[in-house]
Amino acid sequence: SQTIHQWPATLVQPVGSPLSLECTVEGTSNPNLYWYRQAAGRGLQLLFYSVGIGQISSEVPQNLSASRPQDRQFILSSKKLLLSDSGFYLCAWSVGPHGYTFGSGTRLTVV
Amino acid sequence: RKEVEQDPGPFNVPEGATVAFNCTYSNSASQSFFWYRQDCRKEPKLLMSVYSSGNEDGRFTAQLNRASQYISLLIRDSKLSDSATYLCVVNGHNNNDMRFGAGTRLTVKP
Repeated sequence: SQTIHQWPATLVQPVGSPLSLECTVEGTSNPNLYWYRQAAGRGLQLLFYSVGIGQISSEVPQNLSASRPQDRQFILSSKKLLLSDSGFYLCAWSVGPHGYTFGSGTRLTVV
Repeated sequence: RKEVEQDPGPFNVPEGATVAFNCTYSNSASQSFFWYRQDCRKEPKLLMSVYSSGNEDGRFTAQLNRASQYISLLIRDSKLSDSATYLCVVNGHNNNDMRFGAGTRLTVKP
């Protein structure tokens, strides 16, 4: 069966520090992978998606970046965090038009 | 205009009530439609897909109106456990990504 792993579950980072969130998928090949952010009380905002290794599409200009070094690995990074980067970060995967499966999310607080 | 718009909510209903949520979308070429459920501080989980002919899963019924570009979710005989935020999801202009509505919060009370 397919599973998606996302870590860490919670993270508190100071302003200006770097960020690296990792997401891995098991049990499937060549999935589409996504990073979403949900600010407190807000909807999900698509940040990046990837249809294959090394292929990244960015939806919103910001100080975040994404990489896909392997078929089932998707990484969200930042060189210097801002207060506005706080939020609930969700990784998701899809294979075909059958909806998304989300990881359990990382709750990031920038202080 | 937002790509996906939902009833703002919140909806507060008694147990056993029937409640309906609507969602409109802007991309007339959209082909994929879903309803997700999100519990507080948890990830969204797929509730049901929405098919052109409409579909039902137990107490939940989803319908699609392409001409008016909206989808709906009907919940019958509401349970306390139905309390959650319901997210409408539609594929974006690029069929590789999905766009989420801001969600409608439902609270079912005893």
